[in-house]
Amino acid sequence: AQSVTQLDSHVSVSEGTPVLLRCNYSSSYSPSLFWYVQHPNKGLQLLLKYTSAATLVKGINGFEAEFKKSETSFHLTKPSAHMSDAAEYFCVVRQGGTSYGKLTFGQGTILTVHP
Amino acid sequence: DAGITQSPRHKVTETGTPVTLRCHQTENHRYMYWYRQDPGHGLRLIHYSYGVKDTDKGEVSDGYSVSRSKTEDFLLTLESATSSQTSVYFCAISESSLGLANEQYFGPGTRLTVT
Repeated sequence: AQSVTQLDSHVSVSEGTPVLLRCNYSSSYSPSLFWYVQHPNKGLQLLLKYTSAATLVKGINGFEAEFKKSETSFHLTKPSAHMSDAAEYFCVVRQGGTSYGKLTFGQGTILTVHP
Repeated sequence: DAGITQSPRHKVTETGTPVTLRCHQTENHRYMYWYRQDPGHGLRLIHYSYGVKDTDKGEVSDGYSVSRSKTEDFLLTLESATSSQTSVYFCAISESSLGLANEQYFGPGTRLTVT
C-alpha cells in the first residue's frame, strides 16, 4: 500500500521569502513522486517529478524538491516566493509495479503569499 | 497544455437524475482517468481506462459508470445523482503506465452540484 502525508494544510509566507512545503510518503515499491499545483478554479499542473535519476529535482517556476529515501520525504522548496505562487500544492506518489499508474494524492497544502 | 477538454464545465442537477460528463483528448494517449476532488481529500480515483472498451474501477467507483468507445473520449455517468456526488470532477490522461515516470495530465475540471 502507498500513502502520502502533507504535513501542513496551510503555509503562509511573505513575498521574497523562502517556501517549504513538506511531504512524507510510504510505498511498498520504488515510487515515482510528483508535485502538482492547482490555482483557484483551475486544473492541476505538473511542477516536477522524481524518477530515481537524481535526488534533487528541479521543476518549473523555480521550484525544486529533494528525494530523501532514509526520511521517506519529498519536500518542495523555492528560494523566493512570488505572489503568483499562491495556490494549492499536491504531493503525489505513483507506486511501481502497478499496471495502470495508480496515483495517490496528499490532501494538499494551501500556500498564501503576502505582499 | 495537454489537449484535454471537459464538458460541461459547470452543471447543476437534481437528485435522482442521470448525468454524463465528457472528457475529450487530442493527444492519442492510451490511459484516461476520472477523479473527484473534495475538500480535505485531495483527488480520488473513480474509474480509469487502459484502452478502447477497457475500463476498471478506482477507489470510489460506487454510483458511477464509465465508457470509452473511442480513444479520444471517456464518459463518466452518474446513473442517479445524489447529493454526496456534488464535487469537482477531473479527467486525466497518461501516455503509458509502463514507465514509472509517466505523469498524468489533467483537464480543467467540471463542477457538479446535485440539489
